[in-house]
Parts: sequence; structure tokens; C-alpha cells
Amino acid sequence: SAVISQKPSRDICQRGTSLTIQCQVDSQVTMMFWYRQQPGQSLTLIATANQGSEATYESGFVIDKFPISRPNLTFSTLTVSNMSPEDSSIYLCSASSFTANEQYFGPGTRLTVT
Amino acid sequence: GENVEQHPSTLSVQEGDSAVIKCTYSDSASNYFPWYKQELGKRPQLIIDIRSNVGEKKDQRIAVTLNKTAKHFSLHITETQPEDSAVYFCAASGGQNFVFGPGTRLSVLP
Repeated sequence: SAVISQKPSRDICQRGTSLTIQCQVDSQVTMMFWYRQQPGQSLTLIATANQGSEATYESGFVIDKFPISRPNLTFSTLTVSNMSPEDSSIYLCSASSFTANEQYFGPGTRLTVT
Repeated sequence: GENVEQHPSTLSVQEGDSAVIKCTYSDSASNYFPWYKQELGKRPQLIIDIRSNVGEKKDQRIAVTLNKTAKHFSLHITETQPEDSAVYFCAASGGQNFVFGPGTRLSVLP
């Protein structure tokens, strides 16, 4: 299974600012994904990070608010823009390999917006 | 789109007993069904999965069954231990994207 790391692990930000979260995988992967998990809730897919093209966003999430980059097969970033307290959540990246569906998750980034 | 329901939302069992969590899905095109365990403050971890060409899969104390006709699948944990206490999520996928169920909080009482 892939080993996935995320930076930062947590942050406290002021409203109106932006935060970029980095996700690094230790091997080349086909797909990378970004999820949001509110406390005590399930995982909600924000977008699929496509290498070499624009990310594919799920309903309710837009590029202006959550711009995503994926410059290569092992790295992706998610930016949470113009933050408000409602953006306080855990943001997780995941990745799946070339040969299988299995998704493996990073440790998450706990974001608090004040 | 796909919709995944999961029951129960909370489950308490005595150590050594069995636990069963059930999920239903709506999209008949879904063909991959993973289960994740998430301990407090930790990342979700894949514990077992099943594909639509298989009816049952077992890994030590954990098993998953799939009924494609009825569109439901279940996680079975036998001989539960305190370290099995966590939130368990099922998911369904017809391609690369997963749709997760709402989760089941399992408590194993000593």
C-alpha cells in the first residue's frame, strides 16, 4: 500500500485568508482525491486531482474555493480560499494505484478558522 | 448518483461477541465495496474489501458478504476485542470514486 503524508497536520487560520495543504505519496499513483470530514461525520469527496489537467469537482464544491494542483504522479495540493468558520474541518487526501481500486488515506489536516 | 446507507449508527457489544454492520447501495453499476476503520484522531484504514464477482471474503476475524441482487453488503467481526472499538465506514464504487456510508461507531465493552 502507498504511504501518504500531508502537511500541515493542523492549522488555525483567520477568516478571509487561504491555506494550502500538501499531499505526498511515496510511489506513483493513478488517482489522488481530496475529502472533507466534519467532526463525527463521514467523508465527503471534494474533488479528484487529475495529473496534467483540471481537477474534477463534486457537486457543491467549486474551483474558486478549492483550487487543486497535481503537477506529477506523487504530489497534490488543495487550497482552501477565503476561509470562513464553516470551513473548519479535517481535510484528507487519498490515493489509489495503477492496478487496483483501493484508496489509502493521508493522516489529515485539521483546520480551524477563527 | 450512488447513495450508501449504513446501519446501525452505533453498536455496543461485549468482548468476545460478534458484530455485524450492514450497508445498502443504490447504483447497480457499483462493483467495489471497501470497509474502513477509523480510530479517534487517526486516518481511515482499509480493513477489507470485496468485488462484485465474489460473494464472501474473509480475513482472520473479519469477513464481508455481498448480495448484488439485493444491493447490500455486510461486515462481520467475530471474537471482538477492545481494540476493535472505532468508527467503521463502508463505501461503494463503480469506478475510481467512492461514496461512503455515514459510519457506525462500534464499542467493544470489556
